[in-house]
Amino acid sequence: KQEVTQIPAALSVPEGENLVLNCSFTDSAIYNLQWFRQDPGKGLTSLLLIQSSQREQTSGRLNASLDKSSGRSTLYIAASQPGDSATYLCAVDTGTASKLTFGTGTRLQVTL
Amino acid sequence: NAGVTQTPKFRILKIGQSMTLQCAQDMNHNYMYWYRQDPGMGLKLIYYSVGAGITDKGEVPNGYNVSRSTTEDFPLRLELAAPSQTSVYFCASRRDSSYNEQFFGPGTRLTVL
Repeated sequence: KQEVTQIPAALSVPEGENLVLNCSFTDSAIYNLQWFRQDPGKGLTSLLLIQSSQREQTSGRLNASLDKSSGRSTLYIAASQPGDSATYLCAVDTGTASKLTFGTGTRLQVTL
Repeated sequence: NAGVTQTPKFRILKIGQSMTLQCAQDMNHNYMYWYRQDPGMGLKLIYYSVGAGITDKGEVPNGYNVSRSTTEDFPLRLELAAPSQTSVYFCASRRDSSYNEQFFGPGTRLTVL
């Protein structure tokens, strides 16, 4: 059974700092990995999707990497801003009906 | 496009009552999903559908039922609500199994008292 773990569970950083969020998964036979952002009381917004054959994806200040063999992904946020404060979830797709298995998330707070 | 829409946004049920959570998408996606999210936890898959007339169980299906009579709609039925079903419910859709993202609705916050 696929299990997804995210470390740390919570993180507080001052504005402007670069930061890394970690995601690990137990079964390396994944189809792709997706990073989401969730604001309090809101739904999930897709940030980046990395196919199993890719090593990384970039969107603006966000960069996500994938090392499938070691079962790890990282989300790098450059020059953090207070507006980045949210919970970040990673989810892996094992390809069977494209079902996602989610981690428990990292709650990020960026302070002024 | 409205994307994925869910109704209601909030609901309080008494133990033993039943209700249907509505989900609709206007993106002509074949795949649709229902998840629940308990406080401080990740999302867990309840049911999913790969097309009209085709549904299957996810990780936590007990106490729920679904139907998929059209491509657009994927309602989730709760029969005999229990306090353990207090959660936030998210519906999601995806075009198909190829390289593309899942899109999520805003969620329904359900409390069972």
